[in-house]
Amino acid sequence: QQPVQSPQAVILREGEDAVINCSSSKALYSVHWYRQKHGEAPVFLMILLKGGEQKGHDKISASFNEKKQQSSLYLTASQLSYSGTYFCGTEDALIFGKGTTLSVSS
Amino acid sequence: EAGVAQSPRYKIIEKRQSVAFWCNPISGHATLYWYQQILGQGPKLLIQFQNNGVVDDSQLPKDRFSAERLKGVDSTLKIQPAKLEDSAVYLCASSLVGWNSPHNEQFFGPGTRLTVL
Repeated sequence: QQPVQSPQAVILREGEDAVINCSSSKALYSVHWYRQKHGEAPVFLMILLKGGEQKGHDKISASFNEKKQQSSLYLTASQLSYSGTYFCGTEDALIFGKGTTLSVSS
Repeated sequence: EAGVAQSPRYKIIEKRQSVAFWCNPISGHATLYWYQQILGQGPKLLIQFQNNGVVDDSQLPKDRFSAERLKGVDSTLKIQPAKLEDSAVYLCASSLVGWNSPHNEQFFGPGTRLTVL
């Protein structure tokens, strides 16, 4: 089952915050987050594991609610370099959501 | 450290023709993945190799797609014959740990953009 991401798109000014959500109809034991800039390959951001283990990336953090089968990605004080499409991956990152496109302007 | 290499970067063919894509993963990475990414969508896994063995090819359209990873290093994905709906970017990725590990951070190659006319 493909995870569902929301919102589909976000437009921000530099310095603003954003939250991207990822939910699954199946039980999750790990969630992976990747960012893909236009015309480039996806780049790994972080993995969240059942039990609370997580990794951070600059001012980007994430949470994982196993009971709700959801994960949220938090982008704090966004920078121009944050622009791109963010994908969550479940089933050991073998099934990706459709992505959330983030546009940050100055 | 060299990244995942793919070639060609772009390919334009007519429907019913055949095409092949090549991928060389990061040295030492046991697991190799092929994804299809249609414009505006997330990557869709086609096939996953652990060394030179297939772990998962459940989403590979086997009537027209084939893939191999000889000697457990580089890999080739072939489409024969191609259809219009095969137009997409084909991404290759590799990871250091085994396929069944949640720690499988994947490193993606630049992809091959296929256009089928």
